[in-house]
Amino acid sequence: KQEVTQIPAALSVPEGENLVLNCSFTDSAIYNLQWFRQDPGKGLTSLLLIQSSQREQTSGRLNASLDKSSGRSTLYIAASQPGDSATYLCAVLIQGAQKLVFGQGTRLTINP
Amino acid sequence: GAVVSQHPSWVICKSGTSVKIECRSLDFQATTMFWYRQFPKQSLMLMATSNEGSKATYEQGVEKDKFLINHASLTLSTLTVTSAHPEDSSFYICSASTPRGVEYGYTFGSGTRLTVV
Repeated sequence: KQEVTQIPAALSVPEGENLVLNCSFTDSAIYNLQWFRQDPGKGLTSLLLIQSSQREQTSGRLNASLDKSSGRSTLYIAASQPGDSATYLCAVLIQGAQKLVFGQGTRLTINP
Repeated sequence: GAVVSQHPSWVICKSGTSVKIECRSLDFQATTMFWYRQFPKQSLMLMATSNEGSKATYEQGVEKDKFLINHASLTLSTLTVTSAHPEDSSFYICSASTPRGVEYGYTFGSGTRLTVV
């Protein structure tokens, strides 16, 4: 059974810092991995998607990496801003299925 | 593109009544949609997979008679919480794979906050 873990559960940093969020999964047989952002009481916004054959994806100040063999992904946020405050979720798509398995999320607070 | 609209964004209902939540794909056809439930400060738990024109597939432990799913068209799936009770209060979110296919990711609705009083 695929399990996804995100560390840390919560993170608070001052504005301007670079930071890394971690995601690990137990079964390397994944189709892809997707990072989402969720604001309080809102739905999910897709940030980055990495196919299983890829190593990383970049969008603006965000960079996500994937090491399938070790079951790890990281989301790097450069020059953090208060507007980045949200919960960040990673999810893996299991091979042979349409199901996404989510981590518990990292609640990020950027202090002005 | 690939926008999923969910309605209502919040609803309060009395215990024992039923509530319907709609999930629409606005600019694409979605043969498959997914319904999730999220408790406060917890992650998303898949409840069921909704397939257009056929019965939904429910995850283990989800009561299919309580959470009725209908996917009668390629752009609309509905979740009806029947005989709602306070323990059904939660945040419900739907999603669909993008038109290019599941390998290109999923798009999510904005969620529905259900409060049963």
